[in-house]
Amino acid sequence: EDKVVQSPLSLVVHEGDTVTLNCSYEVTNFRSLLWYKQEKKAPTFLFMLTSSGIEKKSGRLSSILDKKELSSILNITATQTGDSAIYLCAVNPYGQNFVFGPGTRLSVLP
Amino acid sequence: GAVVSQHPSRVICKSGTSVKIECRSLDFQATTMFWYRQFPKKSLMLMATSNEGSKATYEQGVEKDKFLINHASLTLSTLTVTSAHPEDSSFYICAVASSGNTIYFGEGSWLTVV
Repeated sequence: EDKVVQSPLSLVVHEGDTVTLNCSYEVTNFRSLLWYKQEKKAPTFLFMLTSSGIEKKSGRLSSILDKKELSSILNITATQTGDSAIYLCAVNPYGQNFVFGPGTRLSVLP
Repeated sequence: GAVVSQHPSRVICKSGTSVKIECRSLDFQATTMFWYRQFPKKSLMLMATSNEGSKATYEQGVEKDKFLINHASLTLSTLTVTSAHPEDSSFYICAVASSGNTIYFGEGSWLTVV
């Protein structure tokens, strides 16, 4: 059965800290891995990763995929209180529905 | 990315009544839409895949007679929770898979059954 695991499940940091969120997966016919940020409403899209070793970057957020290790990390530098959210990792296998991880709940304290 | 609109954002209904939630793809013709359910502090649970012009595909354990899905056009899918009970109270989210194989979500609908 396809599975996506995220760690840690929750994390509390202070503003200015750098955080690394982890996602690992076991799926057949991997196509892509996606990261989403969910605040009080529905998730918003952050990144889609398909190739190993190529970093995707958007402002203070960056992400990279390691297909050999079946994992991905999401980095957030110089965290701000507005980064507080649940970060969801999802994998899109060929011919199957997206599989979501449980999410990492990040709290950034002032 | 695709723009997905979901309505209503919040609804309160009495136990035993039915509630309809609409999901519209505003800038993309979606042959497939997804309906998810999310309990507090839990991840997304796929309920069903809505296919335009045909029957929806339900995930195991999801009652198709209770959660009626209609996808009559390329821009609109609806989820009707029939004979709602308090345990149906949840956050329901629709999503569209774009041609770039990315899922874009609607704003979600909070359902409270009293």
